[in-house]
Amino acid sequence: AQTVTQSQPEMSVQEAETVTLSCTYDTSESNYYLFWYKQPPSRQMILVIRQEAYKQQNATENRFSVNFQKAAKSFSLKISDSQLGDTAMYFCAFRMDSNYQLIWGAGTKLIIKP
Amino acid sequence: DTGVSQNPRHKITKRGQNVTFRCDPISEHNRLYWYRQTLGQGPEFLTYFQNEAQLEKSRLLSDRFSAERPKGSFSTLEIQRTEQGDSAMYLCASSFRRGGPTDTQYFGPGTRLTVL
Repeated sequence: AQTVTQSQPEMSVQEAETVTLSCTYDTSESNYYLFWYKQPPSRQMILVIRQEAYKQQNATENRFSVNFQKAAKSFSLKISDSQLGDTAMYFCAFRMDSNYQLIWGAGTKLIIKP
Repeated sequence: DTGVSQNPRHKITKRGQNVTFRCDPISEHNRLYWYRQTLGQGPEFLTYFQNEAQLEKSRLLSDRFSAERPKGSFSTLEIQRTEQGDSAMYLCASSFRRGGPTDTQYFGPGTRLTVL
């Protein structure tokens, strides 16, 4: 069975700093997709970034980038120049190529301090 | 292009009552998903539809739960004889196959259910 682990329940950094959130996963599949979603307090889940496992190049979206290590089954999210609006729960999610359900980690609560 | 909408946003009910939630996906999205999220946890998959066909159901979806998507557009999730353990946020998501391998799910605001 596929599992997703986020080992950092909570992180806190100062505004403008860089922060890295960790995610590891377990699968025997070779084709799959990885996602980071953001859930601000009392607001809906928003896609931050996604990565296809067959792509070696790490995905980037403006201030957000990932470090995808397929052999290590690691998928960390780096947020550069953090902003107050980045305060949220961040969830790592996994999806097999053959199945559309997302498997989620427990989340990391990120607090950006002014 | 409006996002995924869910109604009601909040529902308080007494144990044993039936409740029904509605999800309206993004227009022309052919896949629709239901997840359940308890406080402090990541979502858990419940079921998904491709058009009107329910293609997968989680073991979490007991006999008291039923979901429909009658015309391949909006979907309803009904919980019969609610229990306190059903208290959670129920999330709906939709996606559209663009022809590529990635199928990003877009989420609605959720319906928060409280069973007293």
